[in-house]
Amino acid sequence: QKEVEQNSGPLSVPEGAIASLNCTYSDRGSQSFFWYRQYSGKSPELIMSIYSNGDKEDGRFTAQLNKASQYVSLLIRDSQPSDSATYLCACGGYQKVTFGIGTKLQVIP
Amino acid sequence: DGGITQSPKYLFRKEGQNVTLSCEQNLNHDAMYWYRQDPGQGLRLIYYSQIVNDFQKGDIAEGYSVSREKKESFPLTVTSAQKNPTAFYLCASRIGGLAGEAFFGQGTRLTVV
Repeated sequence: QKEVEQNSGPLSVPEGAIASLNCTYSDRGSQSFFWYRQYSGKSPELIMSIYSNGDKEDGRFTAQLNKASQYVSLLIRDSQPSDSATYLCACGGYQKVTFGIGTKLQVIP
Repeated sequence: DGGITQSPKYLFRKEGQNVTLSCEQNLNHDAMYWYRQDPGQGLRLIYYSQIVNDFQKGDIAEGYSVSREKKESFPLTVTSAQKNPTAFYLCASRIGGLAGEAFFGQGTRLTVV
C-alpha cells in the first residue's frame, strides 16, 4: 500500500465547474497535509496547507481534512483553463514529506 | 528574495560519469530534501537532512550521495552506480518539525547521453 494514494486521472471538468480532488494516506502519524500544483516541466508550488480536521478556504480553493478517515481533499471552484495541471497531495511528519502520484486536472473551455 | 536555487537547469551525463547537482537555500530552513520525478510518476525521496552534518537515506538512495556541510547547501551526486539516472530532480527545504511546508527549487533535468 502506498503511503499517499491519489487517482492519477485525468479528471476533466468544464470551465466554471467545481473540481474535486481526493487523497488518502496510511500514516496516522502524519500531522500536516498539503496540496501542490505542478505545471508540466515545472516544479511543484504550494497552494494549500491544512493541519486540523475540517475545511480551510483560500480564494477559489478549499482543502478538507478528515483524520479519522485518513482523507484529504481539494475543491477548486469556478475552474479556469489555467488550473489545468497536476495536483500533488502530500503528508508531512516530523522528518519527511511524502507525496502522492498526483492527479492530472484538465479544465475544458 | 528568499528561495531555493538549483543548478544547472539541464545536465547531460555520459555513461560512467559522476555528476553533482547543486541546491542552495537562503530561507534559513533546517531541513532539506532531494526528490526524483519520472514521467507520470510522483516524487520519490532520495535523501534528506534535518541538520548540518547529518542526513538520512530516503526510499531510493542507491546510486546517490549527498553532503550537508553548510545549512544553506545540500548537493546531490549522481554516481555511476545509478543505472537509470535520467529524471527530473527536485530539491526542497522546510523549516523543520511537524508543521512546515516544503518549498521547491526549479529543478534539474538530468539526461544520460
